[in-house]
Amino acid sequence: AQRVTQPEKLLSVFKGAPVELKCNYSYSGSPELFWYVQYSRQRLQLLLRHISRESIKGFTADLNKGETSFHLKKPFAQEEDSAMYYCALSGRGRRALTFGSGTRLQVQP
Amino acid sequence: DSGVTQTPKHLITATGQRVTLRCSPRSGDLSVYWYQQSLDQGLQFLIQYYNGEERAKGNILERFSAQQFPDLHSELNLSSLELGDSALYFCASSVAGRTGDGYGYTFGSGTRLTVV
Repeated sequence: AQRVTQPEKLLSVFKGAPVELKCNYSYSGSPELFWYVQYSRQRLQLLLRHISRESIKGFTADLNKGETSFHLKKPFAQEEDSAMYYCALSGRGRRALTFGSGTRLQVQP
Repeated sequence: DSGVTQTPKHLITATGQRVTLRCSPRSGDLSVYWYQQSLDQGLQFLIQYYNGEERAKGNILERFSAQQFPDLHSELNLSSLELGDSALYFCASSVAGRTGDGYGYTFGSGTRLTVV
């Protein structure tokens, strides 16, 4: 079975502070991992895919297979980063994403 | 606009009733996924269709059913509604039948269902 764990329901930081949203996964094979973001009253949007190793809006995430983690990081938080963040996993050949329970990021001025 | 269209945006209905939620995928996408988002359960996968055929089932109740039509739009039918069915129902689409291609999903804006 595959599982995604986001241990923090809420993460509150001040503007300019570093951010790390934690994501741990359980999957026996080689997973594909994603971060989705949901801004207030908007639809979920794809933020990052681990295979592309890109940086979007200053966010990065590295897949650590040893620790089975895919934490989302940003060195300097902005108020517009306030949103709900979901980590998601797909096993190779599997057809549906499994989502974590989400972490609400609150960036205070 | 992400290209995935869900209607209606809001729905209020009574317990015991039946409702139909509609989803039109992004142009060119063959797969449609339905998710239920509630406060205590997070995003729960319900069911996936690919090019008209059911591909995968998640935590979908027997009272719920779905289908995908030849024009690729999909409908999620919820019957004998209970208070606990109140949630946001999302539809997502992707190009392929598998998410292993690394492209993820495009989500619709959801239908908020309130059962009273």
